[in-house]
Amino acid sequence: DTAVSQTPKYLVTQMGNDKSIKCEQNLGHDTMYWYKQDSKKFLKIMFSYNNKELIINETVPNRFSPKSPDKAHLNLHINSLELGDSAVYFCASSQKGQDYGYTFGSGTRLTVV
Amino acid sequence: LAKTTQPISMDSYEGQEVNITCSHNNIATNDYITWYQQFPSQGPRFIIQGYKTKVTNEVASLFIPADRKSSTLSLPRVSLSDTAVYYCLVGDIGAGGTSYGKLTFGQGTILTVHP
Repeated sequence: DTAVSQTPKYLVTQMGNDKSIKCEQNLGHDTMYWYKQDSKKFLKIMFSYNNKELIINETVPNRFSPKSPDKAHLNLHINSLELGDSAVYFCASSQKGQDYGYTFGSGTRLTVV
Repeated sequence: LAKTTQPISMDSYEGQEVNITCSHNNIATNDYITWYQQFPSQGPRFIIQGYKTKVTNEVASLFIPADRKSSTLSLPRVSLSDTAVYYCLVGDIGAGGTSYGKLTFGQGTILTVHP
C-alpha cells in the first residue's frame, strides 16, 4: 500500500497550459504539504494544509493554487504554466506528535516546453 | 529555522562506517534534529530524529553533543544501496512540535558508496 501517492508521475506540457497534480495519503495524517525541487536539488516548501485549512503559503505565484477537499487529499493546480515551473513536485504528509518525520510521495516531474 | 551546514559530498566503500556531520550553530531550544535520505527519482525518506545525546534505530545512529550545535549521522557498514543524498534539518518539528511545513532542506550531502 502506497502511503503518499501522487499522480501523474511525469507531466510534459506546453507553456500557457493549465495542469493539476493530485496527491492522496492513507496514513491518517492531519497535515499535507507541497514541496518543489528545482534542478539544483533544493527542496522548498510551497504550501501546507492542516485538516483542510491552509496554514503555510510561501512566496509562490498566484498561478499555483492548492486545494484540499479532505484531509487525505491535497491537489495542486497550476495555471498558465511557464518554463520556470519545470521541476519535481513532492507531496508529503505528517501528523503532529509523531516521531517519524514527514512521509513524502515519489514526486511528479513537470516539464514545461 | 536554524541554518545547517553539511559537506557537499562524501565517498566511502562498502562495509565501512560513514559519519556525516552537520553544523547548526543557531539551533533553538525547541528544535529537533532530523535526517532524511533521498534516492534519485524518489521523495526524501525519514531516517532518524533526535533532540540530544544519542539516538539509534535499525538504520542509523545520531550523535548530538551537549551544546547541540552539531550532529553526526552514523551509517554502519554501508552498502552500494546507501548511495543517496542525505539532508540534515533542524526545527520545531519533533514529537511536540508545532512548525507544520517548516522543514527547510539545505543542499544535502551526496554520499557515494563504491564497491
